[in-house]
Amino acid sequence: QVQLVASGGGVVQPGRSLRLSCAASGFTFRSFGMHWVRQAPGKGLEWVALVSHEGTIKYYRDSVKARFTISRDNSKNTLYLQMNSLRVDDTAVYYCAKEIVGGGWSNWFDPWGQGTLVTVSS
Amino acid sequence: EIVLTQSPATLSLSPGERATLSCRASQSVGYYLAWFQQRPGQAPRLLIYDASSRATGIPPRFSGSGSGTDFTLTISSLEPEDFAIYYCQHRSTWPAMYTFGQGTNLEIK
Repeated sequence: QVQLVASGGGVVQPGRSLRLSCAASGFTFRSFGMHWVRQAPGKGLEWVALVSHEGTIKYYRDSVKARFTISRDNSKNTLYLQMNSLRVDDTAVYYCAKEIVGGGWSNWFDPWGQGTLVTVSS
Repeated sequence: EIVLTQSPATLSLSPGERATLSCRASQSVGYYLAWFQQRPGQAPRLLIYDASSRATGIPPRFSGSGSGTDFTLTISSLEPEDFAIYYCQHRSTWPAMYTFGQGTNLEIK
């Protein structure tokens, strides 16, 4: 079955960097677009970024553009989120998720990984 | 940017009752709307996409309807495991962007 395991979260000071990883298994990773979605503690869901199945097309929400970079290594079945210049309001659980239809991008996504908590605090 | 407004914020019902959750878009989104369920301490899961298509493995008591700006998620007869937070979501394809509603907390009465 599809499994997505996110890792790399932790406590970091404002202005510092962190890289999240999402290890995928149970499906042909290189065939599906992938997403990052976050959820601040006690708050709702916020889409962060997507990358196409080949890794060539990327989209971001405005508040993370120029600070975050989504990427993937299809040889390692792994999705990444490089987060630079972190701010206190980036504090959240970060989920990775797989699109339900392969071969493109910007589709619905499911399932989601279990999430990894990023806390930005001085 | 499209804004999704869910109502009510909290819905208190008993097992076996029918639940009706609403999602209104600030402008027409066609059929580009999905519903997610999030149980406490768990990741969200997709229930409905394209307004009315059930995702894989979702029981038939869950149904979605609507188009344009007004959408409804109906749970025909609540099971204990259905008490959770429900989010609607819109996706736009150009540019690619995803927006969530603020959620409806379905709680046991």
